[in-house]
Amino acid sequence: EDKVVQSPLSLVVHEGDTVTLNCSYEVTNFRSLLWYKQEKKAPTFLFMLTSSGIEKKSGRLSSILDKKELFSILNITATQTGDSAIYLCAGEYGNKLVFGAGTILRVKS
Amino acid sequence: DSGVTQTPKHLITATGQRVTLRCSPRSGDLSVYWYQQSLDQGLQFLIQYYNGEERAKGNILERFSAQQFPDLHSELNLSSLELGDSALYFCASSVGGRIFSGNTIYFGEGSWLTVV
Repeated sequence: EDKVVQSPLSLVVHEGDTVTLNCSYEVTNFRSLLWYKQEKKAPTFLFMLTSSGIEKKSGRLSSILDKKELFSILNITATQTGDSAIYLCAGEYGNKLVFGAGTILRVKS
Repeated sequence: DSGVTQTPKHLITATGQRVTLRCSPRSGDLSVYWYQQSLDQGLQFLIQYYNGEERAKGNILERFSAQQFPDLHSELNLSSLELGDSALYFCASSVGGRIFSGNTIYFGEGSWLTVV
């Protein structure tokens, strides 16, 4: 069964800390891995990773995929209170996204 | 604002009833996806339509059905509602029919359904 597992389930950090969120996947005919940030409502797209070992960066966020070990990490440096959200990763196969349960991140000021 | 519009934002209905959720995709997007998000199940893929045709099916119950109309808006019909159907229902859209090759999907703000 296709499965995406995220860890930790939740974490609380202080502003300025660096966090690493983990995502492991078992997805048949894997094509890509996506990261989303969900605040109060709609998940918003962060990254799509298709190639192993190539880091994608956007400001303080970066992500990398390891297709051999079937995992991805999302790093957030110099965290801010606005980074507080649920971070979702999803494995894509065909036209379906299999989502993990998410990591709840809370950044305290 | 992702450009994906969903209505209604909230609705409360009784068990056994039927509701229709509506979604307008981003301008130019041909694919519409429906997802269900509940506390115990996370975000679950229900179904995808591409240019009016069903393209992929996920964990959609038989009591649920969807369609995409010629103007590309989509409706998700939920019938014989049960308490367990209470969830946030997201619609998402993308340009193409496949997510791979950088065809990102963008989510609407969701419709909160509460079944009492």
